[in-house]
Amino acid sequence: EAGVTQFPSHSVIEKGQTVTLRCDPISGHDNLYWYRRVMGKEIKFLLHFVKESKQDESGMPNNRFLAERTGGTYSTLKVQPAELEDSGVYFCASSPTGGVRNEQFFGPGTRLTVL
Amino acid sequence: AQSVTQLDSQVPVFEEAPVELRCNYSSSVSVYLFWYVQYPNQGLQLLLKYLSGSTLVKGINGFEAEFNKSQTSFHLRKPSVHISDTAEYFCAVSGFSHDMRFGAGTRLTVKP
Repeated sequence: EAGVTQFPSHSVIEKGQTVTLRCDPISGHDNLYWYRRVMGKEIKFLLHFVKESKQDESGMPNNRFLAERTGGTYSTLKVQPAELEDSGVYFCASSPTGGVRNEQFFGPGTRLTVL
Repeated sequence: AQSVTQLDSQVPVFEEAPVELRCNYSSSVSVYLFWYVQYPNQGLQLLLKYLSGSTLVKGINGFEAEFNKSQTSFHLRKPSVHISDTAEYFCAVSGFSHDMRFGAGTRLTVKP
């Protein structure tokens, strides 16, 4: 069974540009999460989808970030326009239907560098 | 709201020595506790989790952790480490919501 995949693995862009990150969850997983880790700090929750609906987006830093999950399958996270402080590793995770007791399966992350 | 503190950012240890990675949490509600490991260039992998029941939890690769409610700790231990255990380890807590709160990570380096 394929795990959570993320694309691209690395992205280097200039301040002011737009970047779109993609996450493909494990097939059949209704829950999809985005997290971010800024250099050396903790991994922080960004948002949670249940199927195509945003269940919780309390961790989104500002309105330059837009996440979508059309059709309830893969998800995209767009940053527009990117700022220097957006640099970090963006993780996606998925879990099956059920409560918080379920393990979240993580992808390898996308390393974003904003110059 | 929950939060997690990992007390050591880096832990160097010699091969075959025991290791303990420390984790303390704060929460006003019942919690679920997790340890994840990230090997170089890979995603986070679940090592073990505490949901309820026995406070001593055994995970993969010979790791175990003990939930201590009175000390609000969930320290990770392994009696004898290998070079292949070199990785970054994350303690995490979740409560009634799905947003998992992570510590800042502990980088374990096992030296020959």
